[in-house]
Amino acid sequence: SQKIEQNSEALNIQEGKTATLTCNYTNYSPAYLQWYRQDPGRGPVFLLLIRENEKEKRKERLKVTFDTTLKQSLFHITASQPADSATYLCASSNSNSGYALNFGKGTSLLVTP
Amino acid sequence: EAGVAQSPRYKIIEKRQSVAFWCNPISGHATLYWYQQILGQGPKLLIQFQNNGVVDDSQLPKDRFSAERLKGVDSTLKIQPAKLEDSAVYLCASSLDLPGLAGETQYFGPGTRLLVL
Repeated sequence: SQKIEQNSEALNIQEGKTATLTCNYTNYSPAYLQWYRQDPGRGPVFLLLIRENEKEKRKERLKVTFDTTLKQSLFHITASQPADSATYLCASSNSNSGYALNFGKGTSLLVTP
Repeated sequence: EAGVAQSPRYKIIEKRQSVAFWCNPISGHATLYWYQQILGQGPKLLIQFQNNGVVDDSQLPKDRFSAERLKGVDSTLKIQPAKLEDSAVYLCASSLDLPGLAGETQYFGPGTRLLVL
Protein backbone atom coordinates (compact mmCIF):
# COMPACT_ATOMS: atom_id res chain seq x y z
CA SER A 1 0.00 0.00 0.00
CA GLN A 2 1.06 3.59 -0.50
CA LYS A 3 2.79 4.91 2.59
CA ILE A 4 3.84 8.43 3.37
CA GLU A 5 5.77 9.14 6.54
CA GLN A 6 6.69 12.28 8.38
CA ASN A 7 8.82 12.60 11.47
CA SER A 8 6.30 12.22 14.26
CA GLU A 9 8.54 13.89 16.80
CA ALA A 10 7.99 17.59 17.30
CA LEU A 11 10.68 19.91 16.00
CA ASN A 12 11.76 22.71 18.33
CA ILE A 13 14.02 25.42 16.93
CA GLN A 14 15.12 28.90 17.82
CA GLU A 15 13.79 31.96 16.03
CA GLY A 16 15.91 32.91 13.04
CA LYS A 17 17.13 29.39 12.35
CA THR A 18 16.11 27.23 9.40
CA ALA A 19 13.52 24.53 10.09
CA THR A 20 13.75 21.37 7.97
CA LEU A 21 10.90 18.88 7.88
CA THR A 22 11.07 15.48 6.20
CA CYS A 23 8.52 13.51 4.19
CA ASN A 24 9.32 9.99 2.97
CA TYR A 25 7.24 7.77 0.73
CA THR A 26 7.41 4.07 -0.10
CA ASN A 27 5.86 1.60 -2.52
CA TYR A 28 4.86 4.13 -5.19
CA SER A 29 5.92 7.17 -7.17
CA PRO A 30 3.91 10.33 -6.50
CA ALA A 31 3.09 12.56 -9.43
CA TYR A 32 3.43 15.46 -7.00
CA LEU A 33 3.66 16.31 -3.34
CA GLN A 34 1.81 19.08 -1.54
CA TRP A 35 2.66 20.72 1.75
CA TYR A 36 -0.01 22.15 4.04
CA ARG A 37 0.07 24.07 7.30
CA GLN A 38 -2.45 23.30 10.05
CA ASP A 39 -3.00 25.41 13.15
CA PRO A 40 -4.88 24.04 16.19
CA GLY A 41 -8.63 24.01 15.66
CA ARG A 42 -8.32 24.95 11.98
CA GLY A 43 -8.30 23.18 8.66
CA PRO A 44 -5.08 22.70 6.66
CA VAL A 45 -3.90 25.57 4.45
CA PHE A 46 -2.07 24.89 1.18
CA LEU A 47 1.52 26.09 0.99
CA LEU A 48 3.42 24.53 -1.92
CA LEU A 49 3.17 21.87 -4.61
CA ILE A 50 6.18 20.19 -6.21
CA ARG A 51 6.00 17.79 -9.15
CA GLU A 52 8.09 14.64 -9.65
CA ASN A 53 10.11 16.29 -12.40
CA GLU A 54 10.95 19.32 -10.24
CA LYS A 55 13.93 19.35 -7.92
CA GLU A 56 13.09 22.45 -5.92
CA LYS A 57 10.31 25.00 -5.42
CA ARG A 58 10.45 28.27 -3.49
CA LYS A 59 7.91 30.69 -2.11
CA GLU A 60 9.14 33.56 0.05
CA ARG A 61 10.84 31.93 3.07
CA LEU A 62 9.66 28.44 2.10
CA LYS A 63 11.57 25.91 0.03
CA VAL A 64 10.62 22.36 -0.84
CA THR A 65 12.74 19.73 -2.56
CA PHE A 66 11.79 16.43 -4.18
CA ASP A 67 14.33 13.63 -4.46
CA THR A 68 12.87 10.67 -6.36
CA THR A 69 16.00 8.59 -5.75
CA LEU A 70 15.76 8.92 -1.98
CA LYS A 71 11.94 8.92 -2.16
CA GLN A 72 11.95 12.00 -0.01
CA SER A 73 10.79 15.59 0.14
CA LEU A 74 12.31 18.20 2.42
CA PHE A 75 10.44 21.31 3.51
CA HIS A 76 12.51 24.25 4.71
CA ILE A 77 11.46 27.44 6.48
CA THR A 78 14.29 29.95 6.55
CA ALA A 79 14.59 32.75 9.12
CA SER A 80 11.89 31.04 11.16
CA GLN A 81 9.54 33.07 13.35
CA PRO A 82 7.32 32.12 16.30
CA ALA A 83 4.33 32.65 13.96
CA ASP A 84 5.60 29.69 11.92
CA SER A 85 4.75 27.37 14.82
CA ALA A 86 2.15 24.90 13.53
CA THR A 87 1.77 21.36 12.24
CA TYR A 88 2.99 20.81 8.69
CA LEU A 89 1.40 18.10 6.59
CA CYS A 90 2.88 16.41 3.55
CA ALA A 91 0.46 14.88 1.03
CA SER A 92 1.19 12.74 -2.02
CA SER A 93 -0.84 12.10 -5.12
CA ASN A 94 -0.63 9.82 -8.13
CA SER A 95 -2.80 8.44 -10.88
CA ASN A 96 -3.36 5.07 -9.16
CA SER A 97 -5.62 6.77 -6.63
CA GLY A 98 -7.21 9.20 -9.03
CA TYR A 99 -4.86 11.87 -7.71
CA ALA A 100 -6.57 11.82 -4.31
CA LEU A 101 -4.35 13.28 -1.59
CA ASN A 102 -2.69 10.81 0.77
CA PHE A 103 -1.65 12.74 3.89
CA GLY A 104 1.14 12.00 6.31
CA LYS A 105 0.62 12.39 10.06
CA GLY A 106 2.26 15.79 10.10
CA THR A 107 5.18 17.25 12.00
CA SER A 108 4.67 19.78 14.77
CA LEU A 109 7.05 22.75 14.62
CA LEU A 110 7.65 25.06 17.57
CA VAL A 111 9.73 28.18 17.03
CA THR A 112 10.83 29.82 20.25
CA PRO A 113 11.96 33.46 20.57
CA GLU B 1 -13.86 35.46 -1.15
CA ALA B 2 -15.71 33.44 1.48
CA GLY B 3 -14.03 30.23 2.54
CA VAL B 4 -15.45 26.77 3.10
CA ALA B 5 -18.13 26.86 5.78
CA GLN B 6 -18.92 23.95 8.08
CA SER B 7 -21.41 23.41 10.86
CA PRO B 8 -21.69 22.57 13.61
CA ARG B 9 -18.17 23.26 14.90
CA TYR B 10 -18.54 20.84 17.79
CA LYS B 11 -20.80 17.89 18.50
CA ILE B 12 -21.00 15.47 21.41
CA ILE B 13 -23.18 12.37 21.07
CA GLU B 14 -23.50 8.97 22.64
CA LYS B 15 -22.59 5.83 20.75
CA ARG B 16 -25.32 4.41 18.56
CA GLN B 17 -26.80 7.89 18.02
CA SER B 18 -26.81 9.55 14.63
CA VAL B 19 -25.19 12.84 13.61
CA ALA B 20 -25.01 14.99 10.50
CA PHE B 21 -22.47 17.54 9.35
CA TRP B 22 -23.01 20.28 6.78
CA CYS B 23 -20.55 21.87 4.36
CA ASN B 24 -20.85 24.84 2.02
CA PRO B 25 -17.87 24.96 -0.39
CA ILE B 26 -16.33 28.00 -2.02
CA SER B 27 -18.63 29.34 -4.71
CA GLY B 28 -17.86 27.86 -8.11
CA HIS B 29 -15.86 24.92 -6.82
CA ALA B 30 -16.98 21.76 -8.56
CA THR B 31 -15.11 19.28 -6.39
CA LEU B 32 -15.93 18.68 -2.74
CA TYR B 33 -14.15 16.38 -0.30
CA TRP B 34 -14.91 15.01 3.16
CA TYR B 35 -11.96 13.97 5.33
CA GLN B 36 -11.72 12.35 8.74
CA GLN B 37 -8.83 13.47 10.93
CA ILE B 38 -8.23 11.46 14.08
CA LEU B 39 -6.13 13.16 16.76
CA GLY B 40 -2.44 12.95 15.89
CA GLN B 41 -3.10 11.75 12.34
CA GLY B 42 -3.30 13.38 8.95
CA PRO B 43 -6.64 13.82 7.17
CA LYS B 44 -8.03 10.68 5.56
CA LEU B 45 -10.27 11.05 2.51
CA LEU B 46 -13.74 9.62 3.03
CA ILE B 47 -15.54 10.73 -0.11
CA GLN B 48 -15.02 12.99 -3.10
CA PHE B 49 -17.75 14.60 -5.22
CA GLN B 50 -17.55 16.19 -8.63
CA ASN B 51 -20.63 18.41 -8.83
CA ASN B 52 -23.35 16.08 -7.52
CA GLY B 53 -21.68 12.81 -8.51
CA VAL B 54 -19.45 10.59 -6.36
CA VAL B 55 -15.90 10.25 -7.72
CA ASP B 56 -14.31 8.23 -4.91
CA ASP B 57 -15.90 6.73 -1.80
CA SER B 58 -13.56 3.76 -1.44
CA GLN B 59 -12.63 4.65 2.15
CA LEU B 60 -16.13 5.52 3.34
CA PRO B 61 -17.51 2.97 5.86
CA LYS B 62 -20.75 2.60 3.98
CA ASP B 63 -22.45 0.53 6.65
CA ARG B 64 -22.69 3.62 8.85
CA PHE B 65 -21.53 6.65 6.87
CA SER B 66 -23.41 8.34 4.06
CA ALA B 67 -22.94 11.59 2.18
CA GLU B 68 -24.77 13.52 -0.46
CA ARG B 69 -24.39 16.63 -2.57
CA LEU B 70 -27.79 16.76 -4.21
CA LYS B 71 -27.61 20.09 -6.04
CA GLY B 72 -23.88 20.08 -6.59
CA VAL B 73 -23.25 22.79 -3.99
CA ASP B 74 -23.80 22.06 -0.28
CA SER B 75 -23.07 18.64 1.13
CA THR B 76 -24.01 16.66 4.21
CA LEU B 77 -22.16 13.78 5.84
CA LYS B 78 -24.10 11.49 8.16
CA ILE B 79 -23.05 8.84 10.63
CA GLN B 80 -25.66 6.35 11.79
CA PRO B 81 -25.08 4.70 14.22
CA ALA B 82 -21.95 6.32 15.65
CA LYS B 83 -19.19 4.31 17.30
CA LEU B 84 -16.57 5.42 19.80
CA GLU B 85 -13.87 5.23 17.13
CA ASP B 86 -15.71 7.83 15.04
CA SER B 87 -14.48 10.52 17.42
CA ALA B 88 -12.47 12.80 15.15
CA VAL B 89 -12.50 16.08 13.29
CA TYR B 90 -14.47 15.96 10.05
CA LEU B 91 -13.02 18.31 7.48
CA CYS B 92 -14.70 19.49 4.32
CA ALA B 93 -12.59 20.82 1.46
CA SER B 94 -13.28 22.08 -2.04
CA SER B 95 -11.33 22.73 -5.22
CA LEU B 96 -12.12 24.31 -8.56
CA ASP B 97 -11.93 20.99 -10.34
CA LEU B 98 -10.79 17.39 -9.97
CA PRO B 99 -7.21 17.02 -8.70
CA GLY B 100 -5.80 15.48 -11.89
CA LEU B 101 -2.21 15.85 -12.97
CA ALA B 102 -2.38 19.63 -12.49
CA GLY B 103 -2.84 19.23 -8.75
CA GLU B 104 -5.75 21.45 -7.81
CA THR B 105 -5.33 23.35 -4.54
CA GLN B 106 -7.77 22.19 -1.91
CA TYR B 107 -9.32 24.73 0.45
CA PHE B 108 -10.35 23.37 3.81
CA GLY B 109 -13.06 24.42 6.19
CA PRO B 110 -12.48 24.69 9.96
CA GLY B 111 -13.87 21.20 10.58
CA THR B 112 -16.45 19.71 12.92
CA ARG B 113 -15.04 18.15 16.07
CA LEU B 114 -17.07 15.05 17.00
CA LEU B 115 -16.85 13.31 20.35
CA VAL B 116 -18.68 10.00 20.73
CA LEU B 117 -19.22 8.90 24.34
